[in-house]
Amino acid sequence: GAGVSQSPSNKVTEKGKDVELRCDPISGHTALYWYRQSLGQGLEFLIYFQGNSAPDKSGLPSDRFSAERTGGSVSTLTIQRTQQEDSAVYLCASSSRGRQAYEQYFGPGTRLTVT
Amino acid sequence: SQQGEEDPQALSIQEGENATMNCSYKTSINNLQWYRQNSGRGLVHLILIRSNEREKHSGRLRVTLDTSKKSSSLLITASRAADTASYFCATDAYGNNRLAFGKGNQVVVIP
Repeated sequence: GAGVSQSPSNKVTEKGKDVELRCDPISGHTALYWYRQSLGQGLEFLIYFQGNSAPDKSGLPSDRFSAERTGGSVSTLTIQRTQQEDSAVYLCASSSRGRQAYEQYFGPGTRLTVT
Repeated sequence: SQQGEEDPQALSIQEGENATMNCSYKTSINNLQWYRQNSGRGLVHLILIRSNEREKHSGRLRVTLDTSKKSSSLLITASRAADTASYFCATDAYGNNRLAFGKGNQVVVIP
């Protein structure tokens, strides 16, 4: 595909359930990033992948959050035992640069609502 | 504290006018980038300025960077209704691989 895609576009879940959010980066992009944007706020960094490894997980807010990337391509962000404060838009971005973050190309995001 | 903090303002202008927004940051950076977001969804990269650059142009966009003041400005000339969006600055600090975003500036261009 031409751009970064994310699925689902919207997800409504009950408190306590687990959710998986998927990101398909631009083909050939080695770096992949997850961000979270709460209502009216800027973007909060969650995790960064270079290839399949995650050298920077420092933005994950709790141990309920995890992410993996396979084949240097698709990434999945998993939130276990969701809480209402997890409600946000989760954005994925990819970049062709590895060691330094140059232009990042963002997907449309997944809007997560925890009821 | 979060890097990349825009002046907290909502800007409303008439079509054809220029729009200027500012951003300040706190630590050394490798580069600073501006992004646009429509309707709270995906961000679109607008322009990147490196720490050794002072000014950069791209179409109707002009970005300045003052590393001594740790600040940047984005100017949109001859605004159009389609420029209505939120604009975010983001900094890439040395040794980091992640962008630190500000809270954004809401710009409304009235036709």
